[in-house]
Amino acid sequence: DAMVIQNPRYQVTQFGKPVTLSCSQTLNHNVMYWYQQKSSQAPKLLFHYYDKDFNNEADTPDNFQSRRPNTSFCFLDIRSPGLGDAAMYLCATSKITGVRNQPQHFGDGTRLSIL
Amino acid sequence: KQEVTQIPAALSVPEGENLVLNCSFTDSAIYNLQWFRQDPGKGLTSLLLIQSSQREQTSGRLNASLDKSSGRSTLYIAASQPGDSATYLCAVLNYGGSQGNLIFGKGTKLSVKP
Repeated sequence: DAMVIQNPRYQVTQFGKPVTLSCSQTLNHNVMYWYQQKSSQAPKLLFHYYDKDFNNEADTPDNFQSRRPNTSFCFLDIRSPGLGDAAMYLCATSKITGVRNQPQHFGDGTRLSIL
Repeated sequence: KQEVTQIPAALSVPEGENLVLNCSFTDSAIYNLQWFRQDPGKGLTSLLLIQSSQREQTSGRLNASLDKSSGRSTLYIAASQPGDSATYLCAVLNYGGSQGNLIFGKGTKLSVKP
């Protein structure tokens, strides 16, 4: 059974048209992450929520924002997608307990295409 | 700044061979190292996680080792099967970085030929 679910699997949007990607989890993990992975590249962390606390990576463009209305759901909003934002977007969760961090669990990703 | 390197970028082996994938990292101040598998167009599946105090972890035909002082990890796959074909990524979790920020290598694309 899928524990980290991303919708949709494939998303096509127009240049400059706002788009929202969604992620839900049934693991009750306290941390949720959004990664961007471009073709043949390593996944790169955009931001994460530790409970309700939002943590933005220093080099994440302002064009990317996130919302976490409750423990189970997290959204990635791209306000004005550019051609360079075409990528696979991966959501992950983990349970942080002190310094012995648990594995991160990933969803199947949403592949975003920009026309 | 932590950098994670995986060599080779691609590997092709005949079915049944034992093989080793390599991962190196530049900063030994890590909490843990995690190996993932990624099938084409899919997300990441966690295979093994090694805490910084551990030397190895095993799951089925997979064995991962960690030598923190030398900045190296290996993933050993025994008796490879065509179903093992995928991209394998390693990632480290640094001290002092933002909570849970995994630093990934670019992966090794493995192809196991029947």
